[in-house]
Amino acid sequence: SQQGEEDPQALSIQEGENATMNCSYKTSINNLQWYRQNSGRGLVHLILIRSNEREKHSGRLRVTLDTSKKSSSLLITASRAADTASYFCATDSRGSNYKLTFGKGTLLTVNP
Amino acid sequence: DVKVTQSSRYLVKRTGEKVFLECVQDMDHENMFWYRQDPGLGLRLIYFSYDVKMKEKGDIPEGYSVSREKKERFSLILESASTNQTSMYLCASWDTENYGYTFGSGTRLTVV
Repeated sequence: SQQGEEDPQALSIQEGENATMNCSYKTSINNLQWYRQNSGRGLVHLILIRSNEREKHSGRLRVTLDTSKKSSSLLITASRAADTASYFCATDSRGSNYKLTFGKGTLLTVNP
Repeated sequence: DVKVTQSSRYLVKRTGEKVFLECVQDMDHENMFWYRQDPGLGLRLIYFSYDVKMKEKGDIPEGYSVSREKKERFSLILESASTNQTSMYLCASWDTENYGYTFGSGTRLTVV
């Protein structure tokens, strides 16, 4: 079952600009994570935010979580061409036993 | 770094063949997962395992089975491959320390 839905489906920006991707989900969650996938490869874990947190930072990444709106956003600041990838949000909920439910992803293209 | 290794990057099999996709992790993780990824559908959970010889169905188990005889190895089996099983297959293990998945590089399977 699909829990997260990313928005937009695709985003194209210039190097140096900021990129914002959004994720909405339907049911209550314990945690929300963001993953990155380079073309044709496996996903890489980027950042985790717990349901009792509102904002988290890691390097050029900033994640926010609004549980009242059931939404999260991932901001990548000062983007680079190497940030070109697909980005997925994933959620787990009480009793899910480490099973993550993924959204369909946002394809980010950073043009040099 | 945790490594999750999938034995093949690309695989071409014929309809009706029995296909084995192998996944090995080197960090003694208990929980392992198989997902398939298709354009427009995102990642969907096929099977997962909490421990040796334990397995549970995910969202789309039909046409698949799994084997976990040793903790480090989790195999996905396509009993009789069909063209609608052409997909990217991703194996993951649960990293308790980072509270997230470590993924393998994926196996792109084509059934002809």
